[in-house]
Order: sequence, then structure tokens, then C-alpha cells
Amino acid sequence: AQRVTQPEKLLSVFKGAPVELKCNYSYSGSPELFWYVQYSRQRLQLLLRHISRESIKGFTADLNKGETSFHLKKPFAQEEDSAMYYCALSGATNKLIFGTGTLLAVQP
Amino acid sequence: DAMVIQNPRYQVTQFGKPVTLSCSQTLNHNVMYWYQQKSSQAPKLLFHYYDKDFNNEADTPDNFQSRRPNTSFCFLDIRSPGLGDAAMDLCATSRGPQGSGQETQYFGPGTRLLVL
Repeated sequence: AQRVTQPEKLLSVFKGAPVELKCNYSYSGSPELFWYVQYSRQRLQLLLRHISRESIKGFTADLNKGETSFHLKKPFAQEEDSAMYYCALSGATNKLIFGTGTLLAVQP
Repeated sequence: DAMVIQNPRYQVTQFGKPVTLSCSQTLNHNVMYWYQQKSSQAPKLLFHYYDKDFNNEADTPDNFQSRRPNTSFCFLDIRSPGLGDAAMDLCATSRGPQGSGQETQYFGPGTRLLVL
């Protein structure tokens, strides 16, 4: 079965501290993985996808097939990064499966 | 701005009273999705349309149906809402299906459904 696990409901860090939002997945094939973000009072939107290998707003995520992980990282958190972050998987069924999300709170 | 619009933003209905939620898009995308998100849970796909081709998820309750009369509009019909159907219902679109390279999904703001 395809599954996405985000073990932390809430991650609180201070401004300038490193951030790592954890995501683990369960899928036997070659997955496509995404991070979606929802800022306060805004709609859910794509942050980045693993096949693009890009850095968006200072965030990066590397697919580790050995550990079946796709953790989201940023070296120095900013207050405007505070949001709900969802990891999502697309597999053979051609649908997007979301994790339950992690609320990132960046304290001043 | 091209976008995904959902109406209404809040919908209150009575137990058993049919309700219809609306989604429209100006992106001219081929695929439209409906997700249900209950409190503290992940968005869960109910069904999607690829053009006129309807794809229902196996565990979507029979109570939930959808219509897509044209490219721009897609409706979520809940025939007999129960208390357990209270949720945020999200509409999304993508240019192509998952795996096509054009699968980035663009979400609407959601409709919060309350069942009394």
C-alpha cells in the first residue's frame, strides 16, 4: 500500500535555526514526491518536487530511496516560513497521497 | 489572475439535506480533483475528472457524487449529508494527470462544510 508518514504534527524552531521536516513513504516502485505548503489564510500550493531538484525559498528535499525518505530542509528558518507543510506521493495509481502535515512555527 | 475558485467558502446544511459545492477554474486544465480533509487529517482524494473521464476512488462513499458539465466547472454533490461528512472540501486542478510531467496541482481555497 502507498503511504506517507509525517511523524511530527508540530515543529517549533527559532528564527535562524536549521529546519528539517520529516517525511517517510511506503511504495514499492519509483515514486514521485512533492512538498506542498499552506500559509495562514492561503490555499495549499506546491513548494517543490523531487524530480526538479530545485531549491525554493531556501528549502531543499532529497529523495533517499534506501531510507524511503524525502525530508524537507532549510539551513536558516525565517518567520515567514511558518506554515503547514504536507509531503505527498504519486505512484502507480496516478493519484496524490498526502501525509497528515507538519505545522512549522518559527519563533522570533 | 488565473485561479481555482470555490463557492461557497462556508456551507451549513442539515442532516440528510442534499448540498452542492462548486468549483471553477480559469487555468483551462484538463484534470479536476475533489479532496475531503477532516480535522487534523490528510487531504483524501474522493474522485477526479480527466477531461470527461470520471475516476472514482474505491473508498469514496456512494453519498458523494460529482459532475463536470464543461472544462471550467466541477461540482461535488452530497446526496444525504451525515454528521461525519463535516470537513473541508478542496478542489484542485492540473494540466495533466499524475505521471505526465504536468501534474502540479493547483488548489482552491476550500469549502468548509458543516452538518447540523
